[in-house]
Amino acid sequence: GENVEQHPSTLSVQEGDSAVIKCTYSDSASNYFPWYKQELGKGPQLIIDIRSNVGEKKDQRIAVTLNKTAKHFSLHITETQPEDSAVYFCAASRGVFSGGYNKLIFGAGTRLAVHP
Amino acid sequence: NAGVTQTPKFQVLKTGQSMTLQCAQDMNHNSMYWYRQDPGMGLRLIYYSASEGTTDKGEVPNGYNVSRLNKREFSLRLESAAPSQTSVYFCASRKPGVGTDTQYFGPGTRLTVL
Repeated sequence: GENVEQHPSTLSVQEGDSAVIKCTYSDSASNYFPWYKQELGKGPQLIIDIRSNVGEKKDQRIAVTLNKTAKHFSLHITETQPEDSAVYFCAASRGVFSGGYNKLIFGAGTRLAVHP
Repeated sequence: NAGVTQTPKFQVLKTGQSMTLQCAQDMNHNSMYWYRQDPGMGLRLIYYSASEGTTDKGEVPNGYNVSRLNKREFSLRLESAAPSQTSVYFCASRKPGVGTDTQYFGPGTRLTVL
């Protein structure tokens, strides 16, 4: 069935370093790839997303890259800060264009710790 | 706007008890979703409602029922709780329109079944 694998499960970096989280998806029809940040005791919050017609998207210190051929996508956080510490989830979906219901398949999550 | 709200925030049940988790959104969204989150497994879809009056099963529907009471509210019911249903439950909604894929999540309900 549809599956999204996410690595690493935990990531520890020093403040100011970069962090990279990688995901691989199995459904070749997926065309929408969001990333969510979940802080302790809160619900997931969308931080960035990318569609299959785009290879890269940036928003300040956050960027996402997509390789549709390899079915890989990655989250890059530069100049990390302690407030970036959270659990990050990737997800893949066929999106609403396909007429579906925007079923999101989530990765298992990455716990990022940024140390001052 | 409060966004997506969920009640209760915490709940402890005994095996066999029933309860209903409430979810409401004030963003005029058509689609609403219920997920469960378990350690090391990400979020898994339980049920969804594409629009008022419709509901469909997701990935893990067994042991649950849902009601789309109106456009704002989508409830999740556990008729006979089991320890395997111990989890954190999230409700989400998505605004209408083609290309509007973003789902907005509530703060969650942490459920423990003893």
